[in-house]
Amino acid sequence: AQKVTQAQTEISVVEKEDVTLDCVYETRDTTYYLFWYKQPPSGELVFLIRRNSFDEQNEISGRYSWNFQKSTSSFNFTITASQVVDSAVYFCALSEAKAAGNKLTFGGGTRVLVKP
Amino acid sequence: NAGVTQTPKFRILKIGQSMTLQCTQDMNHNYMYWYRQDPGMGLKLIYYSVGAGITDKGEVPNGYNVSRSTTEDFPLRLELAAPSQTSVYFCASSYSGSISNQPQHFGDGTRLSIL
Repeated sequence: AQKVTQAQTEISVVEKEDVTLDCVYETRDTTYYLFWYKQPPSGELVFLIRRNSFDEQNEISGRYSWNFQKSTSSFNFTITASQVVDSAVYFCALSEAKAAGNKLTFGGGTRVLVKP
Repeated sequence: NAGVTQTPKFRILKIGQSMTLQCTQDMNHNYMYWYRQDPGMGLKLIYYSVGAGITDKGEVPNGYNVSRSTTEDFPLRLELAAPSQTSVYFCASSYSGSISNQPQHFGDGTRLSIL
């Protein structure tokens, strides 16, 4: 069965510090997809990134970057030079290619608090 | 461009009451989902649908029912509300074409309290 673990429940940083969120996953499928979503205090879920299991290149989008390592089954997310607006809960999720309906399994989330 | 729309946004129910959470999407997505999010937790899949007339159970289906008569709508029914069903409910949809496992688009959620 697939599983996603986000061991950090809450991280508190001061503005402009970097913050890295850990995500470790388990799957028996050789083809799978990993996602990160952001849930700001207003409660909606915002899609950030989708990565397939065959693409291990790191990705950077503005202040956000992602480090995918199949060898350690990890898909970590770094926010560089954090801002107060980055305060949110961040979820990592996994979808196996063989799963009917492209179902997602979510981690428990990491709450990031950025203090001014 | 509305995306995924959920109604109501908030609701308080008494134990034993029934209600339907509405979800509609205007993106012509075949795949639709219902999740619940308990305080401080991740999302858990209740039911999903791969197309009109086709539904299946997720991880936590007990106490809920769904139907999918059209591509656009995917209502979630609570028949006998229990305090354990107090949660935030999210509906989502995703594309199901040639590119696999596309991101799911979420509604804004329904906050449900059962007292």
